[in-house]
Amino acid sequence: DAGVIQSPRHEVTEMGQEVTLRCKPISGHDYLFWYRQTMMRGLELLIYFNNNVPIDDSGMPEDRFSAKMPNASFSTLKIQPSEPRDSAVYFCASRGVEEANTGELFFGEGSRLTVL
Amino acid sequence: EDQVTQSPEALRLQEGESSSLNCSYTVSGLRGLFWYRQDPGKGPEFLFTLYSAGEEKEKERLKATLTKKESFLHITAPKPEDSATYLCAVQTYNQGGKLIFGQGTELSVKP
Repeated sequence: DAGVIQSPRHEVTEMGQEVTLRCKPISGHDYLFWYRQTMMRGLELLIYFNNNVPIDDSGMPEDRFSAKMPNASFSTLKIQPSEPRDSAVYFCASRGVEEANTGELFFGEGSRLTVL
Repeated sequence: EDQVTQSPEALRLQEGESSSLNCSYTVSGLRGLFWYRQDPGKGPEFLFTLYSAGEEKEKERLKATLTKKESFLHITAPKPEDSATYLCAVQTYNQGGKLIFGQGTELSVKP
């Protein structure tokens, strides 16, 4: 398996523009997580899904952020409109049944977002 | 509120100089404590899971231990390739599948 695949790897946009980040989890995994990493706040959980259903979105900063998982192999995180304070690295991670006991998450390589 | 605090923020070692990283946690109902390694420009990579006080896990030059309030990641005779940021995370019984991460310790090992 190729692991968790995220796109784009880098995105530079201007304030007010819409940003869409994409994630393909590992095949067969039933949990998908979106994290955001900044120097100031570290790695923060934004939202996670189980079997394509959002379970906890309490970490989503505000209504400008939305996430969807239309099927087991694809998820998006959308920011509209984007602001400079949204600049961060956004990670997607997935986990399968086998990892339920170990709690191991498999992370993608991240999408580095810069909002000017 | 569940909290995870790691120290030090950064650690510089000479090759072969053993040391320890600390992860203190304040949570209600610890289900598991996890250590991850993160290389620059990469996503975190899983190292260990610890479930109960007194438990220890080892992998090459790394050994993780757990008490009721904190975890230590001991690095014995480190090599330059051990340089990375080490992240600690906790999972609680009342928060489902989510992991709460600490800020990390950036380890640099010089030859």
